[in-house]
Amino acid sequence: RKEVEQDPGPFNVPEGATVAFNCTYSNSASQSFFWYRQDCRKEPKLLMSVYSSGNEDGRFTAQLNRASQYISLLIRDSKLSDSATYLCVVDDSWGKLQFGAGTQVVVTP
Amino acid sequence: GAVVSQHPSWVICKSGTSVKIECRSLDFQATTMFWYRQFPKQSLMLMATSNEGSKATYEQGVEKDKFLINHASLTLSTLTVTSAHPEDSSFYICSATGDQYGYTFGSGTRLTVV
Repeated sequence: RKEVEQDPGPFNVPEGATVAFNCTYSNSASQSFFWYRQDCRKEPKLLMSVYSSGNEDGRFTAQLNRASQYISLLIRDSKLSDSATYLCVVDDSWGKLQFGAGTQVVVTP
Repeated sequence: GAVVSQHPSWVICKSGTSVKIECRSLDFQATTMFWYRQFPKQSLMLMATSNEGSKATYEQGVEKDKFLINHASLTLSTLTVTSAHPEDSSFYICSATGDQYGYTFGSGTRLTVV
């Protein structure tokens, strides 16, 4: 079983709509959680950290559910520039980052 | 903010040759550097973790004699792919972390072995 699993998508989203997707992780001892954005042929860039209480950064909202071992990302009012692959990243209890394979989001005009 | 510079951005080499990739932390001291590999439509896979001044710790299945990692200073780590073959073609990314910063990624190196 993979450490971090994501729906690969693609999620085709009309501009202005809301899209949400989850990621599950297997290591219950994981301490830190992140969403990264990766554009085609580029390095991942940190989008936001995910905190237990849930957190929001502009149009992006992240939630963490430790009991069910999943994190979620919601994007409101989608922009064309939001088209990318979103990587769920978990810092395992050994201090290593475990990456999901990514969820592709395609925002269409 | 923390910046990590990775060079080269892309490289094409002949099968059997070696390729060196550099990763530099420009404005912070990177106590730990990580090297990842990413194949198309797959997740980043950690290859090895290196701490300054000590030998790298390789993940299971990664050949340490093929992927030589040197982390001689707090600002520079290098990955050398020795005797590269077409199956080594991939996107290699480094990441660095220091006392004050989280994980900062280099811009990646796209290696094509022909």
